[in-house]
This record gives sequence, C-alpha cells and structure tokens, in this order.
Amino acid sequence: QSALTQPASLSGSPTQSITISCTGTSSDVGGYDYVSWYQHHPGKVPKLIIFDVTKRPSGVSNRFSGSKSGNTASLTISGLQAEDEADYYCCSYRRSNTWVFGGGTKVTVL
Amino acid sequence: QVQLVESGGGVVQRGGSLRLSCTTSGFTLSNSGMHWVRQGPGKGLEWVAFLRNDGSHKCYADSVQGRFTLSRDISKNTLYLQMDSLRDEDTAMYYCAKDTLDALDIWGQGTKVTVSS
Repeated sequence: QSALTQPASLSGSPTQSITISCTGTSSDVGGYDYVSWYQHHPGKVPKLIIFDVTKRPSGVSNRFSGSKSGNTASLTISGLQAEDEADYYCCSYRRSNTWVFGGGTKVTVL
Repeated sequence: QVQLVESGGGVVQRGGSLRLSCTTSGFTLSNSGMHWVRQGPGKGLEWVAFLRNDGSHKCYADSVQGRFTLSRDISKNTLYLQMDSLRDEDTAMYYCAKDTLDALDIWGQGTKVTVSS
C-alpha cells in the first residue's frame, strides 16, 4: 500500500498563499471523492481541516481550501499566518474500507 | 463532548504482544466507524486499521495484516487493537480516531508503543 505523494516541504511568507499537492492513483484519489486533509503540529493531535475533497469542518478557517483534478488533490492555504506552520497530510479512501495517507508536507512560514 | 482516550502502550520485546484500548465518550460507538493510525519516530502518519460501525467489517493495512486484530466492547464504549508478533517497525505513537463521512474527524491523544530487542 504505497503512500500518496506529497512534497516534503513548502514555505511561504506571511499573507502569501501556498498549495500542497497530493498525488495518488485511480484506485484512491482519482476514484473517490473521499480526500481529507489534516494539520499536525508536532506533539499535538492531528486536526481535520478538509473532508470530501472540498468541505471544511465547522470552526476551520476559510483560509484553507481543497480541490481535486484527476489523481491529484490539492490543499491551498491563503493568507499564510505564523500558526499555519505545521505538518500537513492528505488522506484518501482506497477501496474495500482501506485508507492511505500521504507522506506529509512540512510548511514553514518565513 | 466527543472524547477518545487511548491506553495500553508501553515497551514490549520484539515478537511480543500488546493490547491497546481506546475508550470513547460523547457518542455511540455502535453508530461510528473507528480507525487506528500510527506515527513512527520521524515518520508520517500511517493508516493501520478500520472497524465499521456495525462491527462486522474489519480492514487492516498490509503492514499489520495477520498480526493485528480489531475488536470492541460496546458495553464499555471501548475499541481495542490486539497487536501480536510485534516488530521494530511497529514502534510508534498509536492514535484512535472516529470516522465521519470517510474522514477521521476526532482523534485521541495517542499511546506510545516501543518495540525493543
């Protein structure tokens, strides 16, 4: 079960926007609209920020948005803030009640 | 308030066994699918296992298939992960998480498992 492919790291200045890609296959990202994204500050609990490709849970900032094209999903963080510095993981449903995470992207706010 | 609390982690010898517990509150366990996810030292999140809400369907990652077993006790609102034939690569923080619409919306604080030689 290969992990989904994410860039290892990305950085941006405050107020800028960054986009994290998450590439899978037609058996996961491309085959289902069940892509979710998680923000993980080291030492803390992962937090769901996007589900069903584009939806935000209640209480999550609208600076976070999700999209998908083919086998690649994306998370965009607009108006970067210092507190956005964290690790971000995509996750996709992959047939027969299995799931797969991406390798994670470390976001640095310059 | 929905809450998940993991316990049962610790240090275990290679080849040994350990049973993790995830005690839930604030929702009905029989109505929710539940996941286990782990994070090894310096590594990313890895999906481990899923128990469907009806309790009948259990799925595992290839890396733990045949060694880990899911179960639950509805009367105790608790999910379990029995881990046998433990390997060095099973060393990780283990999280249980509640499933909603095929996303992991609530996570516990995690319990640490260390496999030693």
